[in-house]
Amino acid sequence: KAGVTQTPRYLIKTRGQQVTLSCSPISGHRSVSWYQQTPGQGLQFLFEYFSETQRNKGNFPGRFSGRQFSNSRSEMNVSTLELGDSALYLCASSLGPDNEKLFFGSGTQLSVL
Amino acid sequence: GENVEQHPSTLSVQEGDSAVIKCTYSDSASNYFPWYKQELGKRPQLIIDIRSNVGEKKDQRIAVTLNKTAKHFSLHITETQPEDSAVYFCAASIPSGGYQKVTFGTGTKLQVIP
Repeated sequence: KAGVTQTPRYLIKTRGQQVTLSCSPISGHRSVSWYQQTPGQGLQFLFEYFSETQRNKGNFPGRFSGRQFSNSRSEMNVSTLELGDSALYLCASSLGPDNEKLFFGSGTQLSVL
Repeated sequence: GENVEQHPSTLSVQEGDSAVIKCTYSDSASNYFPWYKQELGKRPQLIIDIRSNVGEKKDQRIAVTLNKTAKHFSLHITETQPEDSAVYFCAASIPSGGYQKVTFGTGTKLQVIP
C-alpha cells in the first residue's frame, strides 16, 4: 500500500499570496487531519476531516481552511500568507473515525518571504 | 479541551543508558495514548500506544506506563542506541461526538551520545 502522499514537498511564497497543499491518504483511510509543525512548537492541530465533513478545527485564523473530497483526498488553503506561516505542514490519515494509529505524510515545507 | 504537557523538552543520555519521557493530561476521559517518533527530516511514526484499561505495555526496548489516577503516562527506552535519537511526541485521545480527538504534547528531543 502506498503511504500518505503530500504535494508539493517544498513551496516558496511571498507575503500576501495564497497557497494550496494537497494530501492523499492511504487507500481505504477516511480520516485526514492537518498539523503545523514549527521548531519548538510541536504539532499544532489545524483541522480534521472524515467522510468530507470537518469534524474538528484548531485555533488558527480563518485564513486557514481545508476540504476533503469524496475519494478522501484533502486540501488545505492558506490565504494572505504571513511570514509566521512558514512551517512544515503535515497531514495524517487513519482508517476510521477513532483517529488511532495516525499515518503521517512527509509534509510540505512552506517558506514565506 | 484536553491539554497535554510533555517533559523534558530535551534529553541527552549516554548510549546504553535508559531514557524516560513524561506526559500529563488534563481530561480524565482520555482513553488512548500513542507515542510518535520523528527522526530528523522524516515523518512522525507511531512506535507504541496504550489504552486506558492497561497500566503498562512493552515492545522490546520501549515501554509505556499509564497512571490514570495521576493522569500521567511515560515512555521508557532501555539500552538506548544512537538510532533512538529523534523527537518523541506523546498524545492523548479523547472521545468527542462519536469520534476521537487527538492532542499532542510539545515533543522531546532525545540525543543518544555514542
